[in-house]
Amino acid sequence: RKEVEQDPGPFNVPEGATVAFNCTYSNSASQSFFWYRQDCRKEPKLLMSVYSSGNEDGRFTAQLNRASQYISLLIRDSKLSDSATYLCVVNVAGGTSYGKLTFGQGTILTVHP
Amino acid sequence: DAGVTQSPTHLIKTRGQQVTLRCSPKSGHDTVSWYQQALGQGPQFIFQYYEEEERQRGNFPDRFSGHQFPNYSSELNVNALLLGDSALYLCASSRDRGGIQYFGAGTRLSVL
Repeated sequence: RKEVEQDPGPFNVPEGATVAFNCTYSNSASQSFFWYRQDCRKEPKLLMSVYSSGNEDGRFTAQLNRASQYISLLIRDSKLSDSATYLCVVNVAGGTSYGKLTFGQGTILTVHP
Repeated sequence: DAGVTQSPTHLIKTRGQQVTLRCSPKSGHDTVSWYQQALGQGPQFIFQYYEEEERQRGNFPDRFSGHQFPNYSSELNVNALLLGDSALYLCASSRDRGGIQYFGAGTRLSVL
């Protein structure tokens, strides 16, 4: 079983749509959670951190369920510029894996006019 | 404020050769991590350097080695290149070992 699993998609949605991505992780010692965005042939860029209480940044909402080891990202009012690969990332704090980011495969989103 | 910089941007090598990739961390960052990203996959952790020492390592063979210098910059060396080493190699820096990691633009390595 992969440490971090995502639906690879692709998701093809029209502008203005709401789209949700899901992610599960297997290591219960995971302490930090993130969504990174990666444009084609570019580096991953931090989109947002994910907190247990849930957090929102404009059109983006991230949720974490530690009991189910599940992370989600909701994008409202999709824009053409949201087209990218979204990477679910976990970080185990402490111990031998401290600071090691574990990435999911990524979910491809294409927003069309 | 310069972000994470990597060099070279592209590299073509043949099987069996050796390669060195370079990374300069973001100002104020002291930790450098290296990742390998194959096409269509998420990045895979290679190793992390802090205080000039390798602090942890992912599931990569000893052909992959690295170094961190006193100015926090880092090198990734790969010996005896295989076709399967063709990938995007990403360097990430952070303020400390557990800090948020910021990525450089990567080095795209092609092994022929």
